[in-house]
Amino acid sequence: DAEITQSPRHKITETGRQVTLACHQTWNHNNMFWYRQDLGHGLRLIHYSYGVQDTNKGEVSDGYSVSRSNTEDLPLTLESAASSQTSVYFCASSESLGDTQYFGPGTRLTVL
Amino acid sequence: KNQVEQSPQSLIILEGKNCTLQCNYTVSPFSNLRWYKQDTGRGPVSLTIMTFSENTKSNGRYTATLDADTKQSSLHITASQLSDSASYICVVSAMHDYKLSFGAGTTVTVRA
Repeated sequence: DAEITQSPRHKITETGRQVTLACHQTWNHNNMFWYRQDLGHGLRLIHYSYGVQDTNKGEVSDGYSVSRSNTEDLPLTLESAASSQTSVYFCASSESLGDTQYFGPGTRLTVL
Repeated sequence: KNQVEQSPQSLIILEGKNCTLQCNYTVSPFSNLRWYKQDTGRGPVSLTIMTFSENTKSNGRYTATLDADTKQSSLHITASQLSDSASYICVVSAMHDYKLSFGAGTTVTVRA
């Protein structure tokens, strides 16, 4: 069955370190998204991609970057982790714009 | 600014009882509205989707309604089960860019 996976599921890191969160989908979807989820807030869009070599900033992109070298993967990099980036991160994908997005299981990141 | 407000923030109900969750939005121009269910420690999963012309959509014991004139939606859970314990998120999509606006969610706890 097609799926979307994220790794690691849990990560603890220190302030200032570079961290990369992986997202892999086997649906062959063109569109992929990264969100963060914080208590009391709705999911907020960090970065998104509409296809290979395409990346776009979302509403909370500062301190994050992504790259899309193939259809299946969209890794999210925190260049220099900050305590404000402690959150749960979700990756999602969709076949077409406006279609239902399918979410991964999430990565809980703690920055000490 | 596009916004989605959900109420109540949380609720507790007894197994077998019904409950209704509310969603108000200011997203414009409106494309569609989805309700997602998010179990603890997992990613959101789509329950229903409604476009402008639809005012009711059911998925098993879940029934969503939409009033596009007043920009309100509700999710009704019938004969609740312990497995209904989760966060329910209202998600509204804008036309043209298909960007999603997420509510903060309503946490439902079903007690035996």
